[in-house]
Amino acid sequence: ETGVTQTPRHLVMGMTNKKSLKCEQHLGHNAMYWYKQSAKKPLELMFVYSLEERVENNSVPSRFSPECPNSSHLFLHLHTLQPEDSALYLCASSQDRWGNSNQPQHFGDGTRLSIL
Amino acid sequence: GENVEQHPSTLSVQEGDSAVIKCTYSDSASNYFPWYKQELGKRPQLIIDIRSNVGEKKDQRIAVTLNKTAKHFSLHITETQPEDSAVYFCAGRPDDKLIFGTGTRLQVFP
Repeated sequence: ETGVTQTPRHLVMGMTNKKSLKCEQHLGHNAMYWYKQSAKKPLELMFVYSLEERVENNSVPSRFSPECPNSSHLFLHLHTLQPEDSALYLCASSQDRWGNSNQPQHFGDGTRLSIL
Repeated sequence: GENVEQHPSTLSVQEGDSAVIKCTYSDSASNYFPWYKQELGKRPQLIIDIRSNVGEKKDQRIAVTLNKTAKHFSLHITETQPEDSAVYFCAGRPDDKLIFGTGTRLQVFP
């Protein structure tokens, strides 16, 4: 399944670097999500966009800055990250954020981020 | 807010045996419970889900049961195969967000 594509797959960066993660979905969905996946922790929802408007920000530090230029693309801009930010960052999309039709979230393969 | 607890964190079974993973949730407003499977280095993928108006759902070797009164739901995998080895996540949805459990690492030994 290639409905949700994330790039890069792996990223190593220093704490002072600036980088961006990219997510693209080809499913015609209207909602997109960023999750953080750390070892032995639940998937943590970071941001939700619905129709290109941010509708959720779960108290994420400002060193993470999302951008949704259109309903098919989602970015996560990173700057001055900390070692504890090392994790797998997963993008997902769904038909709509309410899921009234119970359309499942489709995930990308993630970006494995390592902060030196 | 919703809290989803998942047990066990690891589970090892012999090929052909059954595996059961259990989750409990706290928010009675949760009305949708999906299960995702994540193989090593791969994306989470939905394998089965259940809505709160249904007590059980089955899809070949996989089944999910829901007890709304007790606020718990379980994943049952019968006749396990080595390719079932993965991390399984449950989730509850009290509003427009999925709240995930911590995951269960299932290992099926041939």
